[in-house]
Amino acid sequence: SQQGEEDPQALSIQEGENATMNCSYKTSINNLQWYRQNSGRGLVHLILIRSNEREKHSGRLRVTLDTSKKSSSLLITASRAADTASYFCALPPSGTYKYIFGTGTRLKVLA
Amino acid sequence: NAGVTQTPKFQVLKTGQSMTLQCAQDMNHEYMSWYRQDPGMGLRLIHYSVGAGITDQGEVPNGYNVSRSTTEDFPLRLLSAAPSQTSVYFCASSYWPARVGTEAFFGQGTRLTVV
Repeated sequence: SQQGEEDPQALSIQEGENATMNCSYKTSINNLQWYRQNSGRGLVHLILIRSNEREKHSGRLRVTLDTSKKSSSLLITASRAADTASYFCALPPSGTYKYIFGTGTRLKVLA
Repeated sequence: NAGVTQTPKFQVLKTGQSMTLQCAQDMNHEYMSWYRQDPGMGLRLIHYSVGAGITDQGEVPNGYNVSRSTTEDFPLRLLSAAPSQTSVYFCASSYWPARVGTEAFFGQGTRLTVV
């Protein structure tokens, strides 16, 4: 079974708006990562947040982590058409070496 | 640096045929893994390896074999292809993830169709 569940499954916004997607998980983690996948391509790492961090920024990306609620969110500010992609959270569960990916959020940014 | 290289990019197999999907990385990563991606299912882990000679099963290992004789290569073998194995396959590698977590690098994928 999948560890990470993203929501929404799909999101459509206008260029310039902010996009927020969420990831919920079930077990304890040491860190959580977010990846982007352009259509038909391999995944590309965006950002990693450790379990002792609550918020992290990278350019137009902001990631938050709430370990008490077992959830994380990815915010993309001032979105661009080039941000159109699927976004996945990834969790390496504590005590195992299995990188498990969520089901993804398909983001479409309309020009 | 080529990163993670997967071959072939496309493949059509007949039911019952066998084949090997190749994956090679040139970053000296200890950790390598194979995923399959089906519509609406995200990525599901098939097998992974934490170093040469060490492999283990992921979420959906049935029908697939792996071996890791070198750090660089991690081939995935389909023993007797079935239509249910029609999917896009991704190979990924990273440094030892253990307790810290490092970014994974992905290949461009192999689109497999079993007829």
